[in-house]
Amino acid sequence: QKEVEQNSGPLSVPEGAIASLNCTYSDRGSQSFFWYRQYSGKSPELIMSIYSNGDKEDGRFTAQLNKASQYVSLLIRDSQPSDSATYLCAVIGGSQGNLIFGKGTKLSVKP
Amino acid sequence: EAGVVQSPRYKIIEKKQPVAFWCNPISGHNTLYWYRQNLGQGPELLIRYENEEAVDDSQLPKDRFSAERLKGVDSTLKIQPAELGDSAVYLCASSWTGQNNSPLHFGNGTRLTVT
Repeated sequence: QKEVEQNSGPLSVPEGAIASLNCTYSDRGSQSFFWYRQYSGKSPELIMSIYSNGDKEDGRFTAQLNKASQYVSLLIRDSQPSDSATYLCAVIGGSQGNLIFGKGTKLSVKP
Repeated sequence: EAGVVQSPRYKIIEKKQPVAFWCNPISGHNTLYWYRQNLGQGPELLIRYENEEAVDDSQLPKDRFSAERLKGVDSTLKIQPAELGDSAVYLCASSWTGQNNSPLHFGNGTRLTVT
């Protein structure tokens, strides 16, 4: 079982809709969770971090964490074409406490 | 603040040749990471440094890969000899500490093509 799993997509949503990205992780002891956005040909950039159960909102982005279900999600409200990118879920885990990435979900927002 | 700087941006080499990548982290960041990203995959950790010490190199293929971080600042990742399967983007990242809530900042990466 991979440590961080994401649906690779592509996920296609119309402009203005809510995009919902999901991630599950295997290490029950993980305490830190991140969402990175990666445009094609570019490096990952951090957009959200979350450490406790519940929701965390930042502008149009909301991260949700459920440690009991080992589940992290990212909601993007009022999706824009500029949100089209690959979204990487990352979790601090493993015996060394390293940042482990999922393979990413490709999001396409259609005008 | 200046970001993580990597060079070169692109490198094309023939198999069995050596190649080296260089990384300058954000000033003051004592933790440095090298990741490899294959097409359509997430980044995979190769090695993590705390200052000049490699604290986790368990995923580094040591038969052909080597890394160093002299004086706890810049770092170099080397492959010798390169194989076709080494074609990927090599990402360097740095953070303030090795603690869980310190975000990683990535450089632009080096895209390696082995022919």
